[in-house]
Amino acid sequence: QLQLQESGPGLVKPSETLSLTCTVSGGSISSSSHYWGWIRQPPGKGLEWIGSIYYSGSTYYTSSLRSRVTVSADTSKNQFSLKLSSVTAADTGVYYCARVGGSSWKEHNWFDPWGQGTLVTVSS
Amino acid sequence: QSVLTQPPSVSGAPGQRVTISCTGTSSNIGPGYDVHWYQQLPGTAPKLLIYGNNNRPSGVPDRFSGSKSGTSASLAITGLQAEDEADYYCQSYDSSLSVVFGGGTKLTVL
Repeated sequence: QLQLQESGPGLVKPSETLSLTCTVSGGSISSSSHYWGWIRQPPGKGLEWIGSIYYSGSTYYTSSLRSRVTVSADTSKNQFSLKLSSVTAADTGVYYCARVGGSSWKEHNWFDPWGQGTLVTVSS
Repeated sequence: QSVLTQPPSVSGAPGQRVTISCTGTSSNIGPGYDVHWYQQLPGTAPKLLIYGNNNRPSGVPDRFSGSKSGTSASLAITGLQAEDEADYYCQSYDSSLSVVFGGGTKLTVL
């Protein structure tokens, strides 16, 4: 059974870089069958897709965060990571990692399963 | 402001049928891109409910169904149960190579 687990600091200072890691168990991120992605949810608000990565290193990012975000993968550790630079209070929220439905980004872009999420607070 | 538009809330009595709409534009749902739906119970991560407009993952009851027409999609829940009380989100693909979500709909079971 595939499981994903987010990890990283729960508190980040404004202007610093938010760094999170998603550890995958029960499956391999090196599989050519799926993309992997990050989604966030501000407190009391809706879902926002951040970015996704394929095992080959191909990435897609949401336009509003593209200048600040990097998603990378470490296949040797079966992990993929998120870095978001120059954070502000608006970046506070629960961050989820998830597997994308398939290998076609245009056609198979649903997310399943999801990690439990990790709350990141941006505050001095 | 979310790219896909959902009603903020819907409600229904146990046993009733409710629908949640999701309206997009000519750059996302309109061109034929699929719509997916998620259920988020309080304090938990979202769970995939419907993918590819009308497909249910294993384990999802057939009380949940999805449909799509033009630039809109709908999620229908029949035989409403107290455990269905949750937030529901639609999601699609956008021509800008992005994934887009609706703002979410809170379902209250009366």
